[in-house]
Amino acid sequence: EDQVTQSPEALRLQEGESSSLNCSYTVSGLRGLFWYRQDPGKGPEFLFTLYSAGEEKEKERLKATLTKKESFLHITAPKPEDSATYLCAVQAQGSSNTGKLIFGQGTTLQVKP
Amino acid sequence: KAGVTQTPRYLIKTRGQQVTLSCSPISGHRSVSWYQQTPGQGLQFLFEYFSETQRNKGNFPGRFSGRQFSNSRSEMNVSTLELGDSALYLCASSPDRDGYTFGSGTRLTVV
Repeated sequence: EDQVTQSPEALRLQEGESSSLNCSYTVSGLRGLFWYRQDPGKGPEFLFTLYSAGEEKEKERLKATLTKKESFLHITAPKPEDSATYLCAVQAQGSSNTGKLIFGQGTTLQVKP
Repeated sequence: KAGVTQTPRYLIKTRGQQVTLSCSPISGHRSVSWYQQTPGQGLQFLFEYFSETQRNKGNFPGRFSGRQFSNSRSEMNVSTLELGDSALYLCASSPDRDGYTFGSGTRLTVV
């Protein structure tokens, strides 16, 4: 069964304290791995898509990496406005998985000034 | 470029009633997916429509249904509402099989 596990569930950082969020996945053929950010009461906001092991993508203070079993979201020198829940999702290959993202439970990040 | 629009933003319904939620995708996007988000289960896939056809369906009871119109707008319907249906319902639009952009969701409360 396709599955996504994120850790830790919650993370508290001081402003400027870098860290990483983990997303472990089990999928029968990966079509893509997605990172989203979600603020309370809002829909997920797209951050990155990764397609193959070894791929990396960056955006401001965020960098996402992918291996065959997991993905990391590295946050460098975070600011309070980076506080949010970060969601990881995978899409498996095959027509039966069209449009279907399998989400992890998310990591809630709090960055204190 | 307008984003994904979901209406209404909030709904309160009574057990046993039915409800219809609407999703207008980004212009040019032909795929619309629906998800249910709850604190206990997280985001769970309901179904996906492309060019007015349901291409995929998640593991939800038949009380949950949807449709897509020729302009790609989509609606989902939940009949015979139960307390456990209280959730944030999200739709995501995509050109086809990638680039999923979510709307802000409809918060449904069943009392």
